[in-house]
Amino acid sequence: NAGVTQTPKFQVLKTGQSMTLQCAQDMNHEYMSWYRQDPGMGLRLIHYSVGAGITDQGEVPNGYNVSRSTTEDFPLRLLSAAPSQTSVYFCASSRQGHGSYNEQFFGPGTRLTVL
Amino acid sequence: AQSVTQLDSHVSVSEGTPVLLRCNYSSSYSPSLFWYVQHPNKGLQLLLKYTSAATLVKGINGFEAEFKKSETSFHLTKPSAHMSDAAEYFCVVSDGGGKLIFGQGTELSVKP
Repeated sequence: NAGVTQTPKFQVLKTGQSMTLQCAQDMNHEYMSWYRQDPGMGLRLIHYSVGAGITDQGEVPNGYNVSRSTTEDFPLRLLSAAPSQTSVYFCASSRQGHGSYNEQFFGPGTRLTVL
Repeated sequence: AQSVTQLDSHVSVSEGTPVLLRCNYSSSYSPSLFWYVQHPNKGLQLLLKYTSAATLVKGINGFEAEFKKSETSFHLTKPSAHMSDAAEYFCVVSDGGGKLIFGQGTELSVKP
């Protein structure tokens, strides 16, 4: 199993550009989520999905869109990038939509810089 | 609402000495608690999790944590630090619906 994969690893954007961060998992996990990591703030939840066709907002959803058309994929879209979105983005997945005890598996991250 | 506070942003120890990383939590019900580790430029890896089965939880690489309800704490310990333990550590609480709430992180440095 490849686990959770993310592409690209690094990306530089100009303000106002759009892009999609890709996330895929091959563990047949129902639950997937996107976090951003900023220095001194831990990881903050952007959006999450409890299954194909179902998404919801997390703590910091503004400026980001998601969709979940398949169990495997959960892309994160930046519609109009802003310097405040410079961050490291992590995708995670776990089995069961509401399993409090279930370990979340994290991808390697995408480091995004917005100029 | 659930929250978690890591009491030290940075901890420095010498190789072979004990490690203590402190975490306090706030939860309106019996929480699910986790410790994750992040090595430089890597993703996050689960060290251990508390799921109410036992208050002393053993994890990978010799780490363990003790859940103390009376103190609302879930401190991470290791008897003897190794150079490879240098990383950032996150204390995490689950909101009960699968969402994770992260602490701010503690950077552990290990001196030779």
